[in-house]
Amino acid sequence: NAGVMQNPRHLVRRRGQEARLRCSPMKGHSHVYWYRQLPEEGLKFMVYLQKENIIDESGMPKERFSAEFPKEGPSILRIQQVVRGDSAAYFCASSPQTSNTEAFFGQGTRLTVV
Amino acid sequence: GESVGLHLPTLSVQEGDNSIINCAYSNSASDYFIWYKQESGKGPQFIIDIRSNMDKRQGQRVTVLLNKTVKHLSLQIAATQPGDSAVYFCAEIHGSSNTGKLIFGQGTTLQVKP
Repeated sequence: NAGVMQNPRHLVRRRGQEARLRCSPMKGHSHVYWYRQLPEEGLKFMVYLQKENIIDESGMPKERFSAEFPKEGPSILRIQQVVRGDSAAYFCASSPQTSNTEAFFGQGTRLTVV
Repeated sequence: GESVGLHLPTLSVQEGDNSIINCAYSNSASDYFIWYKQESGKGPQFIIDIRSNMDKRQGQRVTVLLNKTVKHLSLQIAATQPGDSAVYFCAEIHGSSNTGKLIFGQGTTLQVKP
């Protein structure tokens, strides 16, 4: 049973470009969370999704950021018109339907905006 | 505001000694706490958890203590090994949340000297 898979592991974008980060949850998990980690800081919650539904997006910036978790395929975190301040590690976690507290994290995508 | 914070940013211990990592939280409504270990370049890895109706829980070489009176959480690692070197985060889930959203502290770096 593969763990939470995130890709790419490293992503470099120029200012103004778009970044797409993918997360495939563990098999059987239908809950996905996205967190952002700035250097030397803890993880900050961004968004919580279930299949085809955004449940809690209270941590998402109001502009340029969006997330989806379609019926088929991975969850996508999309950042439009990236700026240098978006440079961070983005982690995805998934949990099984029966227990929201059993979250397993992926290895993260490290986004660098140049 | 709500926060989960750690008392010391860096802890250096000798191999074989016991380590104690502390965490203070401010939201008395939190009812679930987790310790994570994050190695360089990797995602957070679950270590141990505890619910607010408990004051102690033991795992393999690790013990978590919860003092709700002073809103304090600690992680004790017995016989610390070089492989324990990492950043340790405490995280909480608020009792009013049914989404499993984690609120992370800033992290403590544990350095194990051989």
